[in-house]
Amino acid sequence: QKEVEQNSGPLSVPEGAIASLNCTYSDRGSQSFFWYRQYSGKSPELIMFIYSNGDKEDGRFTAQLNKASQYVSLLIRDSQPSDSATYLCAVNRGDTDKLIFGTGTRLQVFP
Amino acid sequence: GAVVSQHPSWVICKSGTSVKIECRSLDFQATTMFWYRQFPKQSLMLMATSNEGSKATYEQGVEKDKFLINHASLTLSTLTVTSAHPEDSSFYICSALSTGGQETQYFGPGTRLLVL
Repeated sequence: QKEVEQNSGPLSVPEGAIASLNCTYSDRGSQSFFWYRQYSGKSPELIMFIYSNGDKEDGRFTAQLNKASQYVSLLIRDSQPSDSATYLCAVNRGDTDKLIFGTGTRLQVFP
Repeated sequence: GAVVSQHPSWVICKSGTSVKIECRSLDFQATTMFWYRQFPKQSLMLMATSNEGSKATYEQGVEKDKFLINHASLTLSTLTVTSAHPEDSSFYICSALSTGGQETQYFGPGTRLLVL
């Protein structure tokens, strides 16, 4: 089992729709969860982080964490073509600052 | 968000040469920086953790004598790929750990290395 798993996609949604990206992790000791966006040929850009169970909202983005199910998700409301990118889920390893990345989900938002 | 720079952004070199990549945190001090490598269509793989004033710690399978890391100040870490070979061609990305508030890694723009 991979430490951090994501569906590789592509996930295709129409402009204006809600995109839902999912991630599961294996280390129950993980405490910090991050979503990064990576455009092709570029480095990752931090979108959100979440530490507590529940929802965290920032603009059009909502991160959801369920530690019991070892599941973290990212919702993007009112999706725009500029949101088309690969979204990387990252989880800290145990009680360290090291991040383990999933392989990413490619999102395509079509006009 | 915090700003991290990398230099050079891309480099082409001959097999057997050494290449140095710099990573700088521009608006915060970072006692910890990380070096990642990303091959096409794959995710980021952590290579090593760079600690200011002490030796870097390397992930399993990463040769410390090949990938030399120096973290001489709170804003600068360097990665030197020694005797580079074509299989070292990759996208090298650093991140700096910001500890103001929640600890968060901010990434540099990456360095694309092509070894001929």
